[in-house]
Amino acid sequence: GQNIDQPTEMTATEGAIVQINCTYQTSGFNGLFWYQQHAGEAPTFLSYNVLDGLEEKGRFSSFLSRSKGYSYLLLKELQMKDSASYLCAVRDGNYQLIWGAGTKLIIKP
Amino acid sequence: EAGVVQSPRYKIIEKKQPVAFWCNPISGHNTLYWYLQNLGQGPELLIRYENEEAVDDSQLPKDRFSAERLKGVDSTLKIQPAELGDSAVYLCASSRGLAEAYTDTQYFGPGTRLTVL
Repeated sequence: GQNIDQPTEMTATEGAIVQINCTYQTSGFNGLFWYQQHAGEAPTFLSYNVLDGLEEKGRFSSFLSRSKGYSYLLLKELQMKDSASYLCAVRDGNYQLIWGAGTKLIIKP
Repeated sequence: EAGVVQSPRYKIIEKKQPVAFWCNPISGHNTLYWYLQNLGQGPELLIRYENEEAVDDSQLPKDRFSAERLKGVDSTLKIQPAELGDSAVYLCASSRGLAEAYTDTQYFGPGTRLTVL
């Protein structure tokens, strides 16, 4: 079967750096997405990786290793507003988007 | 550019009652998705439309759920009759479609929070 694993919850300190990991097993691969979802709100698109390596967007970076079935989202200079759930989603060989359960990130002052 | 619009934002009904959700996708987006999301879980696809055609409805409980996308723009998702277990957030998303954009990023509406009593 297809599976995406992310930690359920992480805690970090304001101003610090946090890395949220995502491992996947899917039938084929056509890209990996990271979304941010604040409580009670809809998911919003953060990043897309289809080739190995690091994609940087301001304070957020996303890394992909297709051979290892692994990605991470790196958040720098954490702010209180970064408290949210972070969802990893993989587009499989049939172009279906398979979603992880999300990682709830708690930022402490 | 306006985002995905959904209504209502909240709905409380008693079990066995019908309920309908409406979605208007981003202009120019050919693909429309309906998802269900339970607390602490990722979205679960119910149905995907390419223009007016339902191309993936394998996860839609067809005994009580139905959907339509007339004219390939707006869409309606209906539940009849609702059950207690249907309480969840119903999200609509849209994308340009793979033929239009390689990344085919999905953009979500604010969702409808359904409570079945």
